[in-house]
Amino acid sequence: NAGVTQTPKFRVLKTGQSMTLLCAQDMNHEYMYWYRQDPGMGLRLIHYSVGEGTTAKGEVPDGYNVSRLKKQNFLLGLESAAPSQTSVYFCASSYSTSGGHSSYNEQFFGPGTRLTVL
Amino acid sequence: AQKVTQAQTEISVVEKEDVTLDCVYETRDTTYYLFWYKQPPSGELVFLIRRNSFDEQNEISGRYSWNFQKSTSSFNFTITASQVVDSAVYFCALGPPNDYKLSFGAGTTVTVRA
Repeated sequence: NAGVTQTPKFRVLKTGQSMTLLCAQDMNHEYMYWYRQDPGMGLRLIHYSVGEGTTAKGEVPDGYNVSRLKKQNFLLGLESAAPSQTSVYFCASSYSTSGGHSSYNEQFFGPGTRLTVL
Repeated sequence: AQKVTQAQTEISVVEKEDVTLDCVYETRDTTYYLFWYKQPPSGELVFLIRRNSFDEQNEISGRYSWNFQKSTSSFNFTITASQVVDSAVYFCALGPPNDYKLSFGAGTTVTVRA
């Protein structure tokens, strides 16, 4: 199993450009998440999905959009990149348990995407 | 509101020393889960442990041990006889019930020198 994979690994954008980050998992997990990691701030949740076709906002959703058209994929889009979006982006997934309380289960993380916006 | 505080930004030790990482959390929930993750220099986060709020029993896994004290809202992590491979950023996280979001602390960077 590849686990959680992310593409690309690195990307440099100019302000105003758009891009999509792809996350794929082969563990048949129901839940998927996008985080950003900034120095001294830990990981902050951008958006998450509790199943195919559903998405929800996290802690810092502004400037990002997501889609979950297939259970195994979770896409993060930046429509008009800004320097404040320079960060390392992590995708994660987790399985569900009865009762649907995903926070009880550990999340499996991808290797991250380092994005620089000039 | 959920909050996780890791007051130690960086810790540097010499190999074979013990190191304890502090984690203090805030929550109004009576049921919750706490996690520790390791982020080695390669960048990927690795799950270490999950603890629910009803289980205050300390846990030991090899050289790793965890001390959960509900009375002080702390979930501290100790590495015994540290090794260079323990060098990483360690994150403490809090998971509330009826929600899917983890709240992460800012992380503690541990450097183990040979």
